[in-house]
Amino acid sequence: NAGVMQNPRHLVRRRGQEARLRCSPMKGHSHVYWYRQLPEEGLKFMVYLQKENIIDESGMPKERFSAEFPKEGPSILRIQQVVRGDSAAYFCASSPSGTGRAYEQFFGPGTRLTVL
Amino acid sequence: GNSVTQMEGPVTLSEEAFLTINCTYTATGYPSLFWYVQYPGEGLQLLLKATKADDKGSNKGFEATYRKETTSFHLEKGSVQVSDSAVYFCALSTGANSKLTFGKGITLSVRP
Repeated sequence: NAGVMQNPRHLVRRRGQEARLRCSPMKGHSHVYWYRQLPEEGLKFMVYLQKENIIDESGMPKERFSAEFPKEGPSILRIQQVVRGDSAAYFCASSPSGTGRAYEQFFGPGTRLTVL
Repeated sequence: GNSVTQMEGPVTLSEEAFLTINCTYTATGYPSLFWYVQYPGEGLQLLLKATKADDKGSNKGFEATYRKETTSFHLEKGSVQVSDSAVYFCALSTGANSKLTFGKGITLSVRP
């Protein structure tokens, strides 16, 4: 039973390029969350998605960042025109529906983005 | 809004020492509380959780009790091992399928 998959694990971009981060949730999970971990800081919530819907994007920067979770395929976090301040570890998590274990989020290994 | 405060780190202990990592929170509503652990180069793993007052979460020798009166969820272990060296995050959520709010995390190093 595979866990949450993220790719790539490491991504290097030059300033102004685009970064695309992918996340495949655990089998049977329909809720996906993206978090960002800046150096020496905890994780900050960015966005929560279900299939084809953005449920909560209160943590997303207003510009350059977007996320989607299409009907088929992985969730994508897209960062346009990256800047050095975007360098961070980006973690995806998934959870099942319903009560009980819906409180638990299962995390992927993260994508470490470095902007040169 | 919701927030989680963890004690400042890092923490360095000798093997078999007693561990306490403090965590306090503020939240609207009735949160569920979590401790996550992050080993070097990896994602977060759920260590333990508690969903209502006076619940005790436990796993791998770690324990934490949900104290509503003091809004705390301190992590304890009676005898740490070198393999416990990691970053520990306290977190809360205020509903099913809702975002987690994390503390800053604390790095624990255990010496042989």
